[in-house]
Amino acid sequence: EAQVTQNPRYLITVTGKKLTVTCSQNMNHEYMSWYRQDPGLGLRQIYYSMNVEVTDKGDVPEGYKVSRKEKRNFPLILESPSPNQTSLYFCASSHKSGASGNTIYFGEGSWLTVV
Amino acid sequence: AQSVAQPEDQVNVAEGNPLTVKCTYSVSGNPYLFWYVQYPNRGLQFLLKYITGDNLVKGSYGFEAEFNKSQTSFHLKKPSALVSDSALYFCAVRDIGDYKLSFGAGTTVTVRA
Repeated sequence: EAQVTQNPRYLITVTGKKLTVTCSQNMNHEYMSWYRQDPGLGLRQIYYSMNVEVTDKGDVPEGYKVSRKEKRNFPLILESPSPNQTSLYFCASSHKSGASGNTIYFGEGSWLTVV
Repeated sequence: AQSVAQPEDQVNVAEGNPLTVKCTYSVSGNPYLFWYVQYPNRGLQFLLKYITGDNLVKGSYGFEAEFNKSQTSFHLKKPSALVSDSALYFCAVRDIGDYKLSFGAGTTVTVRA
């Protein structure tokens, strides 16, 4: 089954304690991305990657890092989480080839609370 | 820059009545348009997309959307709403040649029995 898998799904952590949210896709997609969802703001892009070892900032990259060492994995790293990073996070992926009308597939989301 | 507006935070309809969720967009070139639905405590599920061709696009669960270039709109519709359609709906746009997907703020749909 085609899937984008995120872990953990739910996490409560303390300010300053480094954490990583993993993302893996099994569709051989070149493009992967992270979004955060906040009430009234919709989804905003944090970082994206067009292929292995190629990453770029989205609209709200501050406080986040990513890496793309393998095609299937795209972890999101919060080096020093702060309460304003409390949010629902989504990983997404799609094929890069062809028109950019390719459908983007989303994971189930990761609820992160920073206290 | 690309952007999406969903002018209604909430839409309430009775079961069996038509459902419309509005979306307008802004892009510099030609748009690719998408609708996603989010059920409580779930991820985003793809409903339908407009790439090119017929302005009326049919998607999952009986939903359809009409692309109107002159009005820069892509409204989501369902002829007869079900209680199970109650969810959060997002419109999104991509500019041709750009892989960034920009989302609207979302519209909460409540279908009452």
